[in-house]
Amino acid sequence: DAKTTQPNSMESNEEEPVHLPCNHSTISGTDYIHWYRQLPSQGPEYVIHGLTSNVNNRMASLAIAEDRKSSTLILHRATLRDAAVYYCILIDRGSTLGRLYFGRGTQLTVWP
Amino acid sequence: KAGVTQTPRYLIKTRGQQVTLSCSPISGHRSVSWYQQTPGQGLQFLFEYFSETQRNKGNFPGRFSGRQFSNSRSEMNVSTLELGDSALYLCASSLEGLAGNTIYFGEGSWLTVV
Repeated sequence: DAKTTQPNSMESNEEEPVHLPCNHSTISGTDYIHWYRQLPSQGPEYVIHGLTSNVNNRMASLAIAEDRKSSTLILHRATLRDAAVYYCILIDRGSTLGRLYFGRGTQLTVWP
Repeated sequence: KAGVTQTPRYLIKTRGQQVTLSCSPISGHRSVSWYQQTPGQGLQFLFEYFSETQRNKGNFPGRFSGRQFSNSRSEMNVSTLELGDSALYLCASSLEGLAGNTIYFGEGSWLTVV
């Protein structure tokens, strides 16, 4: 199964950009790259997703390496509300075998 | 519009019992998926239902089962509860499925097995 590897924790100061890396060296051609974040005592919240090209939305940007074996979630200006656990997830659009691996995620701490 | 609603929010069961958790997806969403979250194993995918059919399944024993009704509401059942089943069970819904779609999560049901 395709798995993801993320740093356990990262820190940032408020209003600074944050680059959260994710390695997925065994990614398949049909795997979408999704990012979700989870605040304490809440369900995960969608951040962004992509397949091959870089993606932007009002929350963040997703930069996908050309070989798709890694990706980076970019928060352009971190706020205190961005402190959460960030999960990089691969979801296979073609499989019924549960190719949906969350990993442990990255705990992002944002300092005021 | 209303989000994903899970009931009950908290429950305590005894080892060996069974439990049924309920999930109401966002209106119009046809895909419902379930997840287990524990401190030890993190967030793990259980299964996905789409139009009343199980379409995707994670690596959990047969004690974990689910179903989806014609109105897209879903239930998850765990039989013969074990202490290790104590966890936060999350339900999520999306329009058409998991890959390439936005998945909306509920706040979860906290299950404690004693």
